[in-house]
Amino acid sequence: QVTLRESGPALVQPTQTLTLTCTFSGFSLTTTGMCVTWVRQPPGKALDWLALIDWDGDTYFNTSLKTRLSISRDTSKNQVVLTMSNVDPLDTATYYCGRIRPQVGIDYWGQGTVVTVSS
Amino acid sequence: DIQMTQSPSSVSASVGDRVTITCRASQDISTWLSWYQQKPGKAPKLLMNGASSLQSGVPSRFSGSGSETLFTLTITNLMPEDFATYYCQQAATFPPTFGQGTKLEIK
Repeated sequence: QVTLRESGPALVQPTQTLTLTCTFSGFSLTTTGMCVTWVRQPPGKALDWLALIDWDGDTYFNTSLKTRLSISRDTSKNQVVLTMSNVDPLDTATYYCGRIRPQVGIDYWGQGTVVTVSS
Repeated sequence: DIQMTQSPSSVSASVGDRVTITCRASQDISTWLSWYQQKPGKAPKLLMNGASSLQSGVPSRFSGSGSETLFTLTITNLMPEDFATYYCQQAATFPPTFGQGTKLEIK
């Protein structure tokens, strides 16, 4: 079955770079139509889509955050890594990774990882 | 990027009621619209895609309709477990943008 799990630091200091890893199983990121995406949710607020990487290795980013984000994949390890530079307390959120398919949506989600940005 | 706008932002209803949530896209997305349900402390759950195709296991009291720029999610005969926040997301193109959510609360 398809599973995804996020991992990374729970606390990050302002101005540092946040690195989150999504480890998945049950599908291959090199299969046509398969993509992995990141979504975050600040406490009490709406879902905020961040980035995705597709089966060809093409990447897409939230327009307002794209200068701070990067996403990469390691297909041998079934992992996708999201980095966010120069974090701010406003980046405090639960970060989710998920499998997303074009014209379908995010059909599988990880449980989320809580990241707090604070000094 | 395609902008998604949901209304209302919150709605109060009672068990057994019928509720409709609206989602508007800033441009034509055909029927490439997905709906999610999120309960507190949990990851969102995909309810339906293609504007009206229910995911396996989703009760038939949930239904979706619409095309192009206007879509609705309707829940009939509300059950206690339906009180949650609902999000639409356009799946026509990347980046896949979300609506701002509709919180369904118990009256």
